[in-house]
Amino acid sequence: SQQGEEDPQALSIQEGENATMNCSYKTSINNLQWYRQNSGRGLVHLILIRSNEREKHSGRLRVTLDTSKKSSSLLITASRAADTASYFCATDQTFQGAQKLVFGQGTRLTINP
Amino acid sequence: DAGVIQSPRHEVTEMGQEVTLRCKPISGHNSLFWYRQTMMRGLELLIYFNNNVPIDDSGMPEDRFSAKMPNASFSTLKIQPSEPRDSAVYFCASSLRRTGITEAFFGQGTRLTVV
Repeated sequence: SQQGEEDPQALSIQEGENATMNCSYKTSINNLQWYRQNSGRGLVHLILIRSNEREKHSGRLRVTLDTSKKSSSLLITASRAADTASYFCATDQTFQGAQKLVFGQGTRLTINP
Repeated sequence: DAGVIQSPRHEVTEMGQEVTLRCKPISGHNSLFWYRQTMMRGLELLIYFNNNVPIDDSGMPEDRFSAKMPNASFSTLKIQPSEPRDSAVYFCASSLRRTGITEAFFGQGTRLTVV
C-alpha cells in the first residue's frame, strides 16, 4: 500500500499569495522529501528534511516536519505563475537495508496571474 | 551526466502483446525505482533495486509484470501479456544512497497505451 497523503488534492491561488500543502504518513522514516512535477514531465526534487529536523528553508520554500504527528507541510511564499505544478511528498524508509521511496497522491497547485 | 534515460517515450500496443520498458540510471547510483502513475492511483511504487538486487516487488500488480536489472547501468520492466488497464505513465528513478542525502532523479517517463 502507498503511504503519504497530501491535502488538499488541488489548490488554486492568486499570484503573490502563499501556498501551503500538507502531507501525512504512517511509518517511521529516515527523511521526507518534496518533489515537483510539471505536466507530462518527470518529478524533480525540491527539498529534503531529515527525521531529526523540524524546519528547513530553501529560497521561497519552507518545510516543516512533525514526527510525532507523522506530518509535514510545504509552504511556497510569494507564489508565481511558474509555480503551477503538482507537488508530491515522499517518505524515505529503510527496508531490508535499502532505500524505499514512497510517494503520496500529490497536490495540484494552480497559480492564477 | 545525461540523467536517467527511459525508452521508449511513448508506446502504443495491442492488448496481449509483450511490452518492454527500458531505463538507464545515472552512473554511480546504487538504487533504482520503477513507478507507475495514473490519475486514479497516483504514483505507485512497483519495484526497487539496490546494487542491482531486487529488494521489494510487492507493488507489482500482477504476475504479468516483471523487472530485471542485469547490471548497474540498465533495467527493464516487462508486461506480458499487456492489458488496457496497464495504460499509464511508467517512471524510472535512481538515487545514490548516502547518509542523509538520498534524493531521487527521475526519467521523463514512458507513456504506455494498450488498446
